[in-house]
Amino acid sequence: AQTVTQSQPEMSVQEAETVTLSCTYDTSESNYYLFWYKQPPSRQMILVIRQEAYKQQNATENRFSVNFQKAAKSFSLKISDSQLGDTAMYFCAFMEVLYGQNFVFGPGTRLSVLP
Amino acid sequence: DAGVTQSPTHLIKTRGQQVTLRCSPKSGHDTVSWYQQALGQGPQFIFQYYEEEERQRGNFPDRFSGHQFPNYSSELNVNALLLGDSALYLCASSTGQGVYEQYFGPGTRLTVT
Repeated sequence: AQTVTQSQPEMSVQEAETVTLSCTYDTSESNYYLFWYKQPPSRQMILVIRQEAYKQQNATENRFSVNFQKAAKSFSLKISDSQLGDTAMYFCAFMEVLYGQNFVFGPGTRLSVLP
Repeated sequence: DAGVTQSPTHLIKTRGQQVTLRCSPKSGHDTVSWYQQALGQGPQFIFQYYEEEERQRGNFPDRFSGHQFPNYSSELNVNALLLGDSALYLCASSTGQGVYEQYFGPGTRLTVT
């Protein structure tokens, strides 16, 4: 079974600083997708960024970027110029293409951006 | 364009009762997945519906069942409620083919007393 691990239950960062959230996963498959989702206190899950495993280039979305290390099965999220609105739970998620679209989520990292 | 909607927002039930939760997918989406998120944890996959059939199922007992209607909306039913069923239930929609992103609804908070 696939597993996703997020080793940092809680993190904090000063506004305008940069923070990196860690994620590791375990799979024997080669064709999969990785995601970072954000869940603010309002509780609606919002997609932050997506990475296809077959793409070497790391995904970037504005202030959010990933460091995807396929051999190490590592998928970290870097948030640059942190803003107060980035305060939320962040979940790393894994999806195997072969078995459809059910996601396996990690336990989450609670990020607090401090003024 | 309306996103994924869920009803009700909150629900309180007693042990042993049955509950039905509802989800309407994002416009253009035909696949609905349900997740259970216990407090302080990541979501756990319950099952997925596509073309009105259960396509995949996670490690949940048969007390959890679902349905998808011709308009792609979906219901999650839970029978014989246990205290441990208290959680946030999330619905996510996607297209059945080729787009590997799921859009989540705001969830239904179920409390079992």
